Amino acid sequence: GQQLNQSPQSMFIQEGEDVSMNCTSSSIFNTWLWYKQDPGEGPVLLIALYKAGELTSNGRLTAQFGITRKDSFLNISASIPSDVGIYFCAGYGANSGYALNFGKGTSLLVTP
Amino acid sequence: DGGITQSPKYLFRKEGQNVTLSCEQNLNHDAMYWYRQDPGQGLRLIYYSQIVNDFQKGDIAEGYSVSREKKESFPLTVTSAQKNPTAFYLCASSTQGAGELFFGEGSRLTVL
Repeated sequence: GQQLNQSPQSMFIQEGEDVSMNCTSSSIFNTWLWYKQDPGEGPVLLIALYKAGELTSNGRLTAQFGITRKDSFLNISASIPSDVGIYFCAGYGANSGYALNFGKGTSLLVTP
Repeated sequence: DGGITQSPKYLFRKEGQNVTLSCEQNLNHDAMYWYRQDPGQGLRLIYYSQIVNDFQKGDIAEGYSVSREKKESFPLTVTSAQKNPTAFYLCASSTQGAGELFFGEGSRLTVL
């Protein structure tokens, strides 16, 4: 599959702070997805993006499909302890067919 | 309730033994997937199936086998040929190829 570069690898923040993470690809992507995984569980879909430039919100979460189609970012505003987990970006490249490519994840820790 | 069910959640096996992980979905999804997750490695695609009686290898298919005899079921066999089978295995499904994936809760396999 195609490699996605996700950063940062981990974040340690205080409750109430805003968080930003991003994902880049060396090739064009048609779809970007953001997932959250709690320990020992399967990932849960947070936001799906289908058009370049698209900006979508889901509560305190906001994600954007980069205009170059090679990147995406996820913002979390006013973080709370239950935001703790691993966040994954994922996407379908123009030539990746049915294979969803994943980033290596951003581990988020939130202290009260 | 609709969803994806993986079993068992935890499994221990001795070296040299084959083991089969179950994945069942009642979402009426056409496509099903198996991913392997190792710490810090993200999710890597093992096998996927777009329709019944058809499946394709992913990036790390060696040492694994699958079948898709029914739309709702996609079992994964970890064979003795898999050199490093200890991992967290995730099953997913989607309504169609290149769509949003919905994950099960995962199966953790430990080889002793």
